[in-house]
Amino acid sequence: QSVVTQPPSASGTPGQRVTISCSGSSSNIGSNAVYWYQQLPGTAPKLLIYNNNQRPSGVPDRFSGSKSGTSASLAISGLQSDDEADYFCAAWDDSLNGPVVFGGGTKLTVL
Amino acid sequence: QVQLQESGPGLVKPSETLSLTCSVSGASIRNYYWSWIRQPPGKGLEWIGYVYYGERTNYHPSLRSRVTMSLDTSKNQFSLKLSSVTAADTAVYYCARERNLGYFDFWGQGTLVTVSS
Repeated sequence: QSVVTQPPSASGTPGQRVTISCSGSSSNIGSNAVYWYQQLPGTAPKLLIYNNNQRPSGVPDRFSGSKSGTSASLAISGLQSDDEADYFCAAWDDSLNGPVVFGGGTKLTVL
Repeated sequence: QVQLQESGPGLVKPSETLSLTCSVSGASIRNYYWSWIRQPPGKGLEWIGYVYYGERTNYHPSLRSRVTMSLDTSKNQFSLKLSSVTAADTAVYYCARERNLGYFDFWGQGTLVTVSS
């Protein structure tokens, strides 16, 4: 069981806005940056959001991140079929000098 | 562009040592953290640890007693050794560049390691 919690599934129709939550504690999300990764079927994870709300170059502005206290969220607007993937949040955990903790992942289905 | 490629046996017997190497191109391993992350089939991601220049390491507490990571600067590679493996260690193993703690900006394609006799 992950110390950082995500809903196991989310869904939406094309064009819709979907939000995925990530809940942690004061030792991880509450005191460190949050990162989001997208994992398309059969591929390696890809960085989607860094430092809570920054997008790497090449990531569409349909993807946005936010953080408040010990929780974070990933929002995807203008949902597309290509967005169907697993999404993971991650943060450093200060307890015992690490580790990086990942959320359990959210499988996004585009209906 | 930074590229990473894992290599190593796809099958390891229980109680033996899993050994993987990650070859890096487009960046020097003298900079940044270099990490291993694994994903059991159908499950989520688990950070195993990182190594950085000077052979400084940090491992996941639950794996610390079995993990060793090292760098080979002459080959621009880094490696993972996981001892006393069991079926629970069966996973896709990814190597990645960890730009900052939790910030993995480049990943290898992953390699499936199965622990079975």
